[in-house]
Amino acid sequence: EAQVTQNPRYLITVTGKKLTVTCSQNMNHEYMSWYRQDPGLGLRQIYYSMNVEVTDKGDVPEGYKVSRKEKRNFPLILESPSPNQTSLYFCASSLRRDNQPQHFGDGTRLSIL
Amino acid sequence: DQQVKQNSPSLSVQEGRISILNCDYTNSMFDYFLWYKKYPAEGPTFLISISSIKDKNEDGRFTVFLNKSAKHLSLHIVPSQPGDSAVYFCAAKWTNAGKSTFGDGTTLTVKP
Repeated sequence: EAQVTQNPRYLITVTGKKLTVTCSQNMNHEYMSWYRQDPGLGLRQIYYSMNVEVTDKGDVPEGYKVSRKEKRNFPLILESPSPNQTSLYFCASSLRRDNQPQHFGDGTRLSIL
Repeated sequence: DQQVKQNSPSLSVQEGRISILNCDYTNSMFDYFLWYKKYPAEGPTFLISISSIKDKNEDGRFTVFLNKSAKHLSLHIVPSQPGDSAVYFCAAKWTNAGKSTFGDGTTLTVKP
């Protein structure tokens, strides 16, 4: 089954404790992206990757890091999480960067205390 | 600067009637537009899209209309069904860029 898998689905942690949210897709997609969803703000793009070793900032990259060492994986790293990063996060992938629709994971709800 | 706006946070319609969801954008570089549907506790799923070279695209009960001069697009659902109740996101892209810009979403409720 074609899917984008995020882990963990839920996490409660404390300020300053590094965390990584993993994202993996099994569709051989070139393009992957991270979004955060906040009430009243819709989906905002954090980072995206157009292929292995190619990443770029989205609209809200501050406080986040990503890496794309393999085509299937695109982890989101919060080096020193803060309460304003409490949010619902979605990973997505598409075949290419052009006009292919994105496939989304089911989301990761992060609470930073 | 919000480049994609969905000005109606919510919409309620009766089953069988038409649902019209609206989206406005400001960046004239956008040349591709997509609609996604999102149920609670799930990720968004792709619904329908339209290129800026077209003004209409239809897929079953779903039709998207694009008015480039007004920088406005709309999603029509006819007839609406209770299973269509979800949050609908409008998204815009510039083909040569990697970014996607989403609106805030509109919560559609279809009443039986």
